[in-house]
Amino acid sequence: GENVEQHPSTLSVQEGDSAVIKCTYSDSASNYFPWYKQELGKRPQLIIDIRSNVGEKKDQRIAVTLNKTAKHFSLHITETQPEDSAVYFCAANPYGNNRLAFGKGNQVVVIP
Amino acid sequence: GAVVSQHPSWVICKSGTSVKIECRSLDFQATTMFWYRQFPKQSLMLMATSNEGSKATYEQGVEKDKFLINHASLTLSTLTVTSAHPEDSSFYLCSGLSSYEQYFGPGTRLTVT
Repeated sequence: GENVEQHPSTLSVQEGDSAVIKCTYSDSASNYFPWYKQELGKRPQLIIDIRSNVGEKKDQRIAVTLNKTAKHFSLHITETQPEDSAVYFCAANPYGNNRLAFGKGNQVVVIP
Repeated sequence: GAVVSQHPSWVICKSGTSVKIECRSLDFQATTMFWYRQFPKQSLMLMATSNEGSKATYEQGVEKDKFLINHASLTLSTLTVTSAHPEDSSFYLCSGLSSYEQYFGPGTRLTVT
C-alpha cells in the first residue's frame, strides 16, 4: 500500500516567516496530493491540492510543489500568521483511485 | 468547498452497546463517502469506502461485522459501531467525495465506558 511520510514532525516559525513541510510517497501510481489543515478537535480542512499533471499550484499565501520523479511534494506557507498554527496532513491516493493515505501530520506553531 | 455534516458530535455509550453515526453531504451528492478513525495526536486512518447502493469496501484489519456501513442515499452514509468496547473510543470522521476532492464532516467523538 501507499506509504506517506511527513517531515518535520514539528515546525516552529516566527510570524511573518515562511514554513515548508515536505512529504514523500511510495506508490508511483499516485496522482493526487491534497493538504489538509486540522485545528485541535476540529475537522481536517482541504487547503490546497495538486494533481500529477502540474508541478506547482498557488493560492494566495499557500503553494504546493510536486516532484514526481523524486516522489515528494511540499507545502509552502508564506508570511505566516498565528492563525496558521495547526496540524497539517499531506495525503496521496494509492493505486490512483479516490482512497487517500495520510501522513502522520506536522504540528506548525507560529510564534507571534 | 462542499459541506458535510455528522451526527452526533459526541456520544458516550456503555460497553456492549451499539452506536450509529450519520454522515450527510449538505450541498452535493456524494455517491462515495469515506469513514476514518483518528486517535489522539495521530493521523487519519481510513476504515472503509462507502458507495451508494452497494456494499462498503473495508480496509485491511477493519472488521466489517463490527463496523456496519450503510449508504442508502446520495447524501447519507451511516456507520454503526456494534458491541462497542473501550478500545473503540476514538474520533470518527467521514468525508464526502466531490469530484476528486474529499470534504470532511466535523467528526464524532465516541467514548465507550
